[in-house]
Amino acid sequence: GESVGLHLPTLSVQEGDNSIINCAYSNSASDYFIWYKQESGKGPQFIIDIRSNMDKRQGQRVTVLLNKTVKHLSLQIAATQPGDSAVYFCAERGLGGGNKLTFGTGTQLKVEL
Amino acid sequence: NAGVMQNPRHLVRRRGQEARLRCSPMKGHSHVYWYRQLPEEGLKFMVYLQKENIIDESGMPKERFSAEFPKEGPSILRIQQVVRGDSAAYFCASSPIAGGPHEQYFGPGTRLTVT
Repeated sequence: GESVGLHLPTLSVQEGDNSIINCAYSNSASDYFIWYKQESGKGPQFIIDIRSNMDKRQGQRVTVLLNKTVKHLSLQIAATQPGDSAVYFCAERGLGGGNKLTFGTGTQLKVEL
Repeated sequence: NAGVMQNPRHLVRRRGQEARLRCSPMKGHSHVYWYRQLPEEGLKFMVYLQKENIIDESGMPKERFSAEFPKEGPSILRIQQVVRGDSAAYFCASSPIAGGPHEQYFGPGTRLTVT
């Protein structure tokens, strides 16, 4: 399944399928991006990050792709599991560096058995 | 090996009252960040503090909101004369000295309800 970020806030996938969550960022000067997972009633949990000098980074079952030309970021989750059900946020670090993060609105991922 | 702790987890205040939200960073962390999350929205940066020093408060509303991180004790986010629009989840994150953005560890949040 695939989402279109802000325009499709809920993504439903079958267990075992791959998920693709998209994010459009606004600041072309952003140099660093993070994907967070937030389960109901909890704080955001770091998943994976990528710097602007890269276009792909892989983790365990997750891959982040960065397309700076169109200011687009995606998170791919392989073999989606029920425990992946959560809201996923992309965050960017913009001008001036530092540690101030700007978060996107988020996408709700629902895994169906 | 406790993580970031926030209390209270839930706080109910009437309009006009004061709200105090506390954040105890992870052991060894000296940087604290506060974010606000409205329902169905992403987190919005409010303020970044080091011990006894405000580094960046560009996301703080100009009035009624203040934050501190004293030499001893937790960081405090204080909201005076709360209004219904202050109802939100407030998250604190901490990072070690010179930590990058990926090293921001988030607490469970305080859910503030203004009646």
